[in-house]
Amino acid sequence: AQTVTQSQPEMSVQEAETVTLSCTYDTSENNYYLFWYKQPPSRQMILVIRQEAYKQQNATENRFSVNFQKAAKSFSLKISDSQLGDTAMYFCAFMDTGANSKLTFGKGITLSVRP
Amino acid sequence: DGGITQSPKYLFRKEGQNVTLSCEQNLNHDAMYWYRQDPGQGLRLIYYSQIVNDFQKGDIAEGYSVSREKKESFPLTVTSAQKNPTAFYLCASSIRTGGTGNTIYFGEGSWLTVV
Repeated sequence: AQTVTQSQPEMSVQEAETVTLSCTYDTSENNYYLFWYKQPPSRQMILVIRQEAYKQQNATENRFSVNFQKAAKSFSLKISDSQLGDTAMYFCAFMDTGANSKLTFGKGITLSVRP
Repeated sequence: DGGITQSPKYLFRKEGQNVTLSCEQNLNHDAMYWYRQDPGQGLRLIYYSQIVNDFQKGDIAEGYSVSREKKESFPLTVTSAQKNPTAFYLCASSIRTGGTGNTIYFGEGSWLTVV
């Protein structure tokens, strides 16, 4: 079974600065997908970014980018130019490519952006 | 307006009662999922369904039941056998399970409290 580990329960960053959220995972699969979801106080789960394991290039979405290290099974999220609206819980998630695939989540990290 | 609708937003259950959480999607997605989130925790999979009239147990199915009679609908029943049902419940859907291009989208969630 796949596992996803987010070892930092909380982080804080000053507005306009850059912050990196860590995530590691364990799997025996070669092809899979990795995701970062954001959950603001409203509790709505919002997809931030997605990475396909067979792609070597790191995914980017505006201020959000990932550092995907397949051999190390590491998938960190970098948020540049942090904004107050980035304050939320962030979840790392893994999905394999099998017929019965499902999304497995880490426990999440609470990010606070200070004005 | 396309999306995933969960109802009710807030629900209170007395001891020994069964309650049903509704989830409807108009995205024409094949797969649907139910997750449970406890305070400070990640999401844990309860049940998922890839196709009408078929569903599979997730990691924490005990005390829950589901049905998938229509593609658009995937209701979750929390039975009296679920000893600790107080939690936030999230419904999700995706075009299909597994394969390329698959991303899971979430509803706004339902709060269930035992009184």
